[in-house]
Amino acid sequence: AQSVTQLGSHVSVSEGALVLLRCNYSSSVPPYLFWYVQYPNQGLQLLLKYTTGATLVKGINGFEAEFKKSETSFHLTKPSAHMSDAAEYFCAVRDPRTGTASKLTFGTGTRLQVTL
Amino acid sequence: DAGVTQSPTHLIKTRGQQVTLRCSPKSGHDTVSWYQQALGQGPQFIFQYYEEEERQRGNFPDRFSGHQFPNYSSELNVNALLLGESTLYLCASSPGDRGNYGYTFGSGTRLTVV
Repeated sequence: AQSVTQLGSHVSVSEGALVLLRCNYSSSVPPYLFWYVQYPNQGLQLLLKYTTGATLVKGINGFEAEFKKSETSFHLTKPSAHMSDAAEYFCAVRDPRTGTASKLTFGTGTRLQVTL
Repeated sequence: DAGVTQSPTHLIKTRGQQVTLRCSPKSGHDTVSWYQQALGQGPQFIFQYYEEEERQRGNFPDRFSGHQFPNYSSELNVNALLLGESTLYLCASSPGDRGNYGYTFGSGTRLTVV
């Protein structure tokens, strides 16, 4: 079974500061990895994903994440936080072996607060 | 291009009643999944439909059932509603032949059980 751990249910940063949201996974095989963002009263929007190839992936809104197999991690970063980044962020994993019938397993989320 | 459309956006039901939630996938997508998201939690997988069949199911009771239609739209049905099932229900779609695709989510249906 796969699982995701997001360290820190709440993270607060100043505007312009580095954003670092942590995600560690447990899986018997290297999974597909995703970061989603959820704004209040909205659904989930895909920020970025890692499936194969380059381990450093860039997403929308200036976010990027690096897949580190040895650390079973997929941490999300952004060099400079903006007020509009305040939202809930979810890390998710997916088994690459099961093709179309492949659920996403989510972490419990990290709420990012950006202060002036 | 419309994304994933869910209806209704909000509804209120009485404990013990039955409810049907609807989802239209993004154009070009043929796989639909349903998730339940409790407050302060990540979405939990309910089930997935592909080619009008349930392909995978999460840890939810049989009171949760679904259907997929030939146009790929889907319904989630819940019988004998419990108060604890007051929460957000999300639909997600993907192209079935692209296993590395990230799902596209709808904005959800917020269900209140009183």
